[in-house]
Amino acid sequence: QVHLVQSEAEVKRPGASVKVSCKASGYVHWVRQAPGQGLEWMGIINPSGGSPSYTQRFQGRLTVTRDTSTSTVYMELSRLRSEDTAIYYCARGRLAVASRGGFDSWGQGTLVTVSS
Amino acid sequence: DIVMTQSPLSLPVTPGEPASISCRSSQSLLHSNGFNYLDWYLQRPGQSPQLLLYFSSNRASGVPDRFSGSGSGTDFTLHISRVEAEDVGVFYCMQARQTPWTFGQGTKVEIK
Repeated sequence: QVHLVQSEAEVKRPGASVKVSCKASGYVHWVRQAPGQGLEWMGIINPSGGSPSYTQRFQGRLTVTRDTSTSTVYMELSRLRSEDTAIYYCARGRLAVASRGGFDSWGQGTLVTVSS
Repeated sequence: DIVMTQSPLSLPVTPGEPASISCRSSQSLLHSNGFNYLDWYLQRPGQSPQLLLYFSSNRASGVPDRFSGSGSGTDFTLHISRVEAEDVGVFYCMQARQTPWTFGQGTKVEIK
């Protein structure tokens, strides 16, 4: 499987924002995993960068964008809380023309630590 | 949101023996196009998840044929015909029928 390349680990204060990058094309999803916990889907952006969709609990705090010229997708989470400490993964949809069909490539994960 | 429930949550296995994991959804995952939007992933210790099966029963590229999937609607099963040591990790089902996509709690597979 192809590994997508993500940005390095970050340490942030509560209330700050973090922006994680991922080199990927196609439909790109963001999934996070709190320490010792399961997987949580956060959002998706389509190949052209339009119409990102987010899970409701992140509405207002999560922004996913992409720079098609560099094939880079960005996930920005604002107003960070200690509960946002997690590994954040980007994952690419298996199909180039549809959002469903599994995530066949994943990034190595970016650990974001929120601590005062 | 669609709730995904896996069982068991812990599964001790013997190499060479079969194993299965159940996944149930709170709503039907069957689309009018005939596809069940249910995927299976394996996360080995310290690694990123990897796709095993998509649309309930289709093996992803490079996945050994000892992995298979069955089910439709709200009840799904991942089957391992003969467990190998490299299958240790946490298995997740995930629905993509409607946003937000949601995962099951995970089933931790360990060697006895």
